[in-house]
Amino acid sequence: DAGVTQSPTHLIKTRGQQVTLRCSPKSGHDTVSWYQQALGQGPQFIFQYYEEEERQRGNFPDRFSGHQFPNYSSELNVNALLLGDSALYLCASSLGSASGNFGPGTRLTVT
Amino acid sequence: KQEVTQIPAALSVPEGENLVLNCSFTDSAIYNLQWFRQDPGKGLTSLLLIQSSQREQTSGRLNASLDKSSGRSTLYIAASQPGDSATYLCAVSGGGATNKLIFGTGTLLAVQP
Repeated sequence: DAGVTQSPTHLIKTRGQQVTLRCSPKSGHDTVSWYQQALGQGPQFIFQYYEEEERQRGNFPDRFSGHQFPNYSSELNVNALLLGDSALYLCASSLGSASGNFGPGTRLTVT
Repeated sequence: KQEVTQIPAALSVPEGENLVLNCSFTDSAIYNLQWFRQDPGKGLTSLLLIQSSQREQTSGRLNASLDKSSGRSTLYIAASQPGDSATYLCAVSGGGATNKLIFGTGTLLAVQP
Protein backbone atom coordinates (compact mmCIF):
# COMPACT_ATOMS: atom_id res chain seq x y z
CA ASP A 1 0.00 0.00 0.00
CA ALA A 2 1.66 3.19 -1.22
CA GLY A 3 1.71 6.10 1.16
CA VAL A 4 1.40 9.70 0.12
CA THR A 5 3.21 10.43 -3.13
CA GLN A 6 4.21 13.78 -4.59
CA SER A 7 5.54 14.84 -7.96
CA PRO A 8 7.85 16.14 -9.12
CA THR A 9 10.62 15.63 -6.57
CA HIS A 10 12.51 18.75 -7.58
CA LEU A 11 11.61 21.70 -9.75
CA ILE A 12 13.45 24.81 -10.89
CA LYS A 13 11.44 27.77 -12.16
CA THR A 14 12.11 31.40 -13.07
CA ARG A 15 10.52 34.38 -11.36
CA GLY A 16 7.11 35.20 -12.84
CA GLN A 17 6.44 31.66 -14.05
CA GLN A 18 3.67 29.39 -12.88
CA VAL A 19 4.07 25.94 -11.30
CA THR A 20 1.84 22.97 -10.56
CA LEU A 21 2.66 20.42 -7.88
CA ARG A 22 0.81 17.13 -7.49
CA CYS A 23 -0.13 14.92 -4.58
CA SER A 24 -1.70 11.47 -4.42
CA PRO A 25 -3.11 10.63 -1.00
CA LYS A 26 -2.67 7.40 0.88
CA SER A 27 -5.24 4.77 -0.01
CA GLY A 28 -8.42 5.31 2.02
CA HIS A 29 -7.73 8.98 2.71
CA ASP A 30 -10.09 11.67 1.43
CA THR A 31 -8.50 14.92 2.66
CA VAL A 32 -5.38 16.66 1.42
CA SER A 33 -3.51 19.49 3.14
CA TRP A 34 -0.61 21.47 1.71
CA TYR A 35 2.24 23.02 3.68
CA GLN A 36 5.16 25.24 2.69
CA GLN A 37 8.48 24.79 4.47
CA ALA A 38 11.11 27.46 3.88
CA LEU A 39 14.73 26.57 4.65
CA GLY A 40 15.35 26.40 8.37
CA GLN A 41 11.68 26.93 9.23
CA GLY A 42 8.80 24.73 10.28
CA PRO A 43 6.07 23.91 7.74
CA GLN A 44 3.27 26.46 7.35
CA PHE A 45 -0.30 25.51 6.46
CA ILE A 46 -1.37 26.69 3.00
CA PHE A 47 -4.81 25.12 2.62
CA GLN A 48 -6.83 21.92 2.92
CA TYR A 49 -9.10 20.21 0.40
CA TYR A 50 -12.03 17.94 1.24
CA GLU A 51 -14.80 16.83 -1.09
CA GLU A 52 -13.16 18.82 -3.88
CA GLU A 53 -13.59 22.07 -1.96
CA GLU A 54 -11.07 24.28 -0.16
CA ARG A 55 -12.05 23.88 3.48
CA GLN A 56 -9.59 26.23 5.17
CA ARG A 57 -6.79 28.50 4.04
CA GLY A 58 -3.71 29.76 5.81
CA ASN A 59 -2.10 33.17 5.42
CA PHE A 60 -1.07 32.83 1.80
CA PRO A 61 -1.87 35.14 -1.14
CA ASP A 62 -4.28 34.29 -3.92
CA ARG A 63 -1.33 33.37 -6.12
CA PHE A 64 -1.55 30.04 -4.32
CA SER A 65 -4.50 27.97 -5.48
CA GLY A 66 -5.42 24.34 -5.47
CA HIS A 67 -7.71 21.67 -6.68
CA GLN A 68 -8.88 18.27 -5.56
CA PHE A 69 -10.05 15.66 -8.02
CA PRO A 70 -12.78 13.02 -7.57
CA ASN A 71 -10.09 10.40 -6.85
CA TYR A 72 -8.94 12.63 -3.92
CA SER A 73 -5.62 13.56 -5.55
CA SER A 74 -4.72 17.22 -5.41
CA GLU A 75 -2.76 19.93 -7.18
CA LEU A 76 -1.13 23.05 -5.79
CA ASN A 77 -0.70 25.90 -8.27
CA VAL A 78 1.45 28.95 -7.70
CA ASN A 79 1.29 31.85 -10.15
CA ALA A 80 3.72 34.73 -10.69
CA LEU A 81 6.49 32.99 -8.78
CA LEU A 82 8.67 35.03 -6.44
CA LEU A 83 12.13 34.18 -5.13
CA GLY A 84 10.52 33.81 -1.70
CA ASP A 85 8.36 30.94 -2.96
CA SER A 86 11.46 28.72 -2.97
CA ALA A 87 10.70 26.05 -0.41
CA LEU A 88 9.86 22.42 0.23
CA TYR A 89 6.15 21.88 -0.42
CA LEU A 90 4.65 19.11 1.65
CA CYS A 91 1.37 17.35 1.10
CA ALA A 92 -0.41 15.51 3.91
CA SER A 93 -3.40 13.23 3.50
CA SER A 94 -5.89 12.08 6.11
CA LEU A 95 -9.30 10.58 6.56
CA GLY A 96 -11.38 13.62 7.42
CA SER A 97 -9.84 15.61 10.24
CA ALA A 98 -7.90 12.71 11.71
CA SER A 99 -4.12 12.86 11.92
CA GLY A 100 -2.59 12.00 8.61
CA ASN A 101 0.54 11.11 6.72
CA PHE A 102 3.02 13.38 5.00
CA GLY A 103 4.51 12.85 1.57
CA PRO A 104 8.21 13.25 0.72
CA GLY A 105 7.74 16.80 -0.56
CA THR A 106 8.57 18.75 -3.71
CA ARG A 107 11.61 21.02 -3.58
CA LEU A 108 10.84 24.18 -5.58
CA THR A 109 13.66 26.55 -6.46
CA VAL A 110 12.81 29.91 -8.01
CA THR A 111 15.69 31.71 -9.74
CA LYS B 1 -2.80 33.27 17.60
CA GLN B 2 -1.04 30.01 18.41
CA GLU B 3 2.76 30.11 18.37
CA VAL B 4 5.06 27.15 18.84
CA THR B 5 8.67 27.51 19.99
CA GLN B 6 11.36 24.84 20.16
CA ILE B 7 14.49 25.02 22.27
CA PRO B 8 17.32 24.46 21.60
CA ALA B 9 17.54 25.24 17.88
CA ALA B 10 20.49 22.86 17.56
CA LEU B 11 22.03 20.22 19.78
CA SER B 12 25.12 18.05 19.45
CA VAL B 13 25.65 15.11 21.80
CA PRO B 14 27.95 12.08 21.95
CA GLU B 15 26.47 8.69 21.19
CA GLY B 16 24.80 7.00 24.14
CA GLU B 17 23.61 10.15 25.90
CA ASN B 18 20.04 10.68 26.99
CA LEU B 19 18.62 13.97 25.79
CA VAL B 20 15.55 16.18 26.04
CA LEU B 21 14.05 18.41 23.38
CA ASN B 22 11.63 21.13 24.41
CA CYS B 23 8.50 22.54 22.80
CA SER B 24 6.27 25.32 24.09
CA PHE B 25 3.01 26.71 22.77
CA THR B 26 1.12 29.89 23.65
CA ASP B 27 -2.51 28.69 23.54
CA SER B 28 -3.32 25.74 25.78
CA ALA B 29 -6.56 24.99 23.86
CA ILE B 30 -4.99 22.28 21.72
CA TYR B 31 -6.53 19.09 20.39
CA ASN B 32 -3.30 17.15 20.18
CA LEU B 33 0.47 17.53 19.88
CA GLN B 34 2.78 15.59 17.59
CA TRP B 35 6.50 15.13 17.35
CA PHE B 36 7.96 14.57 13.89
CA ARG B 37 11.36 13.64 12.57
CA GLN B 38 12.70 15.15 9.35
CA ASP B 39 15.84 14.03 7.58
CA PRO B 40 17.58 16.63 5.37
CA GLY B 41 15.43 17.59 2.39
CA LYS B 42 12.89 14.90 3.16
CA GLY B 43 9.29 14.69 4.31
CA LEU B 44 8.02 14.31 7.87
CA THR B 45 7.79 11.09 9.83
CA SER B 46 5.40 11.13 12.76
CA LEU B 47 7.07 9.82 15.92
CA LEU B 48 4.51 10.31 18.66
CA LEU B 49 1.05 11.84 18.96
CA ILE B 50 -0.35 12.91 22.32
CA GLN B 51 -4.03 13.70 22.65
CA SER B 52 -4.86 16.71 24.82
CA SER B 53 -6.27 14.40 27.52
CA GLN B 54 -3.04 12.39 27.73
CA ARG B 55 0.13 13.16 29.69
CA GLU B 56 2.66 11.09 27.76
CA GLN B 57 3.30 8.60 24.98
CA THR B 58 6.16 6.17 24.54
CA SER B 59 7.61 4.40 21.53
CA GLY B 60 10.81 2.46 21.95
CA ARG B 61 13.55 4.83 23.10
CA LEU B 62 11.28 7.86 22.70
CA ASN B 63 9.03 9.34 25.34
CA ALA B 64 6.95 12.48 24.87
CA SER B 65 5.21 14.31 27.66
CA LEU B 66 2.52 16.98 27.54
CA ASP B 67 1.63 19.61 30.13
CA LYS B 68 -1.23 21.44 28.49
CA SER B 69 -1.81 23.90 31.31
CA SER B 70 1.76 25.21 31.12
CA GLY B 71 1.93 24.96 27.32
CA ARG B 72 4.90 22.61 27.26
CA SER B 73 5.95 19.30 25.79
CA THR B 74 9.23 17.42 25.95
CA LEU B 75 10.66 14.68 23.79
CA TYR B 76 13.05 12.40 25.65
CA ILE B 77 15.43 10.26 23.62
CA ALA B 78 17.21 7.52 25.54
CA ALA B 79 20.62 6.12 24.61
CA SER B 80 21.02 8.29 21.52
CA GLN B 81 22.50 6.81 18.34
CA PRO B 82 24.06 8.44 15.25
CA GLY B 83 20.98 7.34 13.31
CA ASP B 84 18.90 9.66 15.50
CA SER B 85 20.57 12.65 13.83
CA ALA B 86 17.80 14.67 12.18
CA THR B 87 15.57 17.69 12.74
CA TYR B 88 12.81 17.16 15.27
CA LEU B 89 9.64 19.19 14.84
CA CYS B 90 6.83 19.73 17.29
CA ALA B 91 3.33 20.57 16.01
CA VAL B 92 0.04 21.34 17.72
CA SER B 93 -3.44 21.13 16.31
CA GLY B 94 -6.51 22.98 17.48
CA GLY B 95 -8.88 20.32 16.21
CA GLY B 96 -11.96 21.53 14.36
CA ALA B 97 -12.92 20.67 10.82
CA THR B 98 -9.43 20.81 9.39
CA ASN B 99 -7.23 19.87 12.33
CA LYS B 100 -4.42 21.91 10.74
CA LEU B 101 -0.99 21.68 12.30
CA ILE B 102 1.03 24.61 13.62
CA PHE B 103 4.72 23.78 13.72
CA GLY B 104 7.72 25.00 15.63
CA THR B 105 10.97 25.72 13.83
CA GLY B 106 12.56 22.48 14.94
CA THR B 107 15.63 21.26 16.80
CA LEU B 108 18.54 20.03 14.68
CA LEU B 109 20.09 17.08 16.49
CA ALA B 110 23.53 15.68 15.74
CA VAL B 111 24.63 12.53 17.57
CA GLN B 112 28.38 12.08 17.32
CA PRO B 113 29.74 8.50 17.09
